[in-house]
Amino acid sequence: QVQLQESGPGLVKPSETLSLTCTVSGGSISSGSYYWSWIRQPAGKGLEWIGRIYSSGTTNYNPSLRSRVTISVDTSKNQFSLKLSSVTAADAAVYYCARAYCGGDCPRGYFDYWGQGTLVTVSS
Amino acid sequence: DIQMTQSPSSLSASVGDRVTITCRASQSINSYLNWYQQKSGKAPKLLIYAASSLQSGVPLRFSGNGSGTDFTLTISSLQPEDFATYYCQQSYSTPSTFGQGTKLEIK
Repeated sequence: QVQLQESGPGLVKPSETLSLTCTVSGGSISSGSYYWSWIRQPAGKGLEWIGRIYSSGTTNYNPSLRSRVTISVDTSKNQFSLKLSSVTAADAAVYYCARAYCGGDCPRGYFDYWGQGTLVTVSS
Repeated sequence: DIQMTQSPSSLSASVGDRVTITCRASQSINSYLNWYQQKSGKAPKLLIYAASSLQSGVPLRFSGNGSGTDFTLTISSLQPEDFATYYCQQSYSTPSTFGQGTKLEIK
């Protein structure tokens, strides 16, 4: 059974960089039929896709966040990470990591496994 | 970006009712439409992928339909554990986008 677990600081100061890591267990992050995403959800609101990374290191980002986002992968540790720079109160949210299965039709897939989510608060 | 619009935004229903939630895309997304269920304080759970394929382990009372721009999620007979928020998501183009959610409440 694949499991994903987010980790990182729950409190970030305005203008600083948010850094989160997702550790994957029960499966290899290097599997070719998948990609790995970050998705966030502000309190009481809907879901926003942040970006994706393949095990090859290829990334795609949401244009609304592209200038501030970096997603990276460490296949040796079976982890992928999110960095979001210059955070403001608008970046406060529950951040989820998720696996997407896309088979031979990448990136058109679906999120079949999710982490439990980690709450990030932005405050000085 | 492709906009996903769900209706209704909220819905009150009773156990045993048949319920349908609609999701409309701002342009054609073929069948690249997925449905998720989210309970309070939990991560979303995949119910339906590719518009009409039932994810393994999901009860048969859930079904999806549609293609192009118009899609539906139907719950044939509501159970107490089905009261939650439901989201559609398109994966046709980047960025992937979600609907605003439909909150299903007990009448």
